[in-house]
Amino acid sequence: DGGITQSPKYLFRKEGQNVTLSCEQNLNHDAMYWYRQDPGQGLRLIYYSQIVNDFQKGDIAEGYSVSREKKESFPLTVTSAQKNPTAFYLCASSLGSTLYEQYFGPGTRLTVT
Amino acid sequence: KNEVEQSPQNLTAQEGEFITINCSYSVGISALHWLQQHPGGGIVSLFMLSSGKKKHGRLIATINIQEKHSSLHITASHPRDSAVYICAVVPASYNTDKLIFGTGTRLQVFP
Repeated sequence: DGGITQSPKYLFRKEGQNVTLSCEQNLNHDAMYWYRQDPGQGLRLIYYSQIVNDFQKGDIAEGYSVSREKKESFPLTVTSAQKNPTAFYLCASSLGSTLYEQYFGPGTRLTVT
Repeated sequence: KNEVEQSPQNLTAQEGEFITINCSYSVGISALHWLQQHPGGGIVSLFMLSSGKKKHGRLIATINIQEKHSSLHITASHPRDSAVYICAVVPASYNTDKLIFGTGTRLQVFP
């Protein structure tokens, strides 16, 4: 079955630690996205990538980093510089842009204490 | 003011009722997405439309570009329709890499 996976589903970290969230897709999609969701707010774009070895900052990229070394993988690192990292993180992919159907992963809930 | 506004924020219904969720936006758009987020957090794409109307099963989505408004209708609602419904637009003024999301409408359907 084709799809997009994220792991782990729940993640707990201490303040000051970097943490990497995994996102993998086997849909052969070119575009991949990372979003953050906070209660009462719409999803906000952290980073996106439309092609391997290239990625762009979204609206809230500060304190985050990504890589796109393979078409199917787009890991997100939440660094210690992110002031308020506790949130629900969603990865998504599409054929080429936001003009195509968006496929979302199940999400990772990160709690930093 | 948010560029994408949804109403109502919360909606409760009895099974079988006809449901309407509204989305208004203030920017020119190339397309609009309707998404469904279940309690576990996963999001599923329901529709993408740029004009007119689309139907899939009991779900109907309409859009009026001139009025900058879209509606999502659910006919014969069922408890399994309980979810958060999210509207997202592709702004015409940007490249097509970004979506602007509404904050969602939480729907609860009771048996």
